[in-house]
Amino acid sequence: DGGITQSPKYLFRKEGQNVTLSCEQNLNHDAMYWYRQDPGQGLRLIYYSQIVNDFQKGDIAEGYSVSREKKESFPLTVTSAQKNPTAFYLCASSPNPGTVNTEAFFGQGTRLTVV
Amino acid sequence: AQKVTQAQTEISVVEKEDVTLDCVYETRDTTYYLFWYKQPPSGELVFLIRRNSFDEQNEISGRYSWNFQKSTSSFNFTITASQVVDSAVYFCATRGVNAGNMLTFGGGTRLMVKP
Repeated sequence: DGGITQSPKYLFRKEGQNVTLSCEQNLNHDAMYWYRQDPGQGLRLIYYSQIVNDFQKGDIAEGYSVSREKKESFPLTVTSAQKNPTAFYLCASSPNPGTVNTEAFFGQGTRLTVV
Repeated sequence: AQKVTQAQTEISVVEKEDVTLDCVYETRDTTYYLFWYKQPPSGELVFLIRRNSFDEQNEISGRYSWNFQKSTSSFNFTITASQVVDSAVYFCATRGVNAGNMLTFGGGTRLMVKP
């Protein structure tokens, strides 16, 4: 089954800790994205990557880091510098622009809570 | 820069009513894509439709229909004979075809369909 897998579904973090959210896709998509969603809000872009070993900051990158060492994987680390990390995190992937079917497909999300 | 505005933050209807969700977009790209996604309570975003900027034909899929009007930069979504299962948050999004363009979402419209 092709798709995007995010893990874990729920994550609890102590203040001052770094945590890493996993995102894996087997859709052979070039582009991958991380979005943050706060309660009752829309999606805000954290980071995106259009190709392996390359990524760009989105609108709210401060306090987050990513890597793209493999096409299938785009992990997001929430660092201690992120002062308000409690949110719902969504990972997505898509073909790059220029292809016909350019829609993004999303994982099931990770709900991160600071305790 | 791209921007998507969904002016309706919440809509409440009674089952079997028709409902239209509005979406207005801004983009400098001459070629772009428009999307609608559904976010049920589980949290995952489900892709509903993609529309290319050069194709202004309206589309119908079962109880769903979309009206794309380039002249008013709108891409509205109508659900006919709404059902309780349609209750969700609906997001409109846009993306240009040039390299570096990412998916830009509107703030979402929460639709509540009451029995």
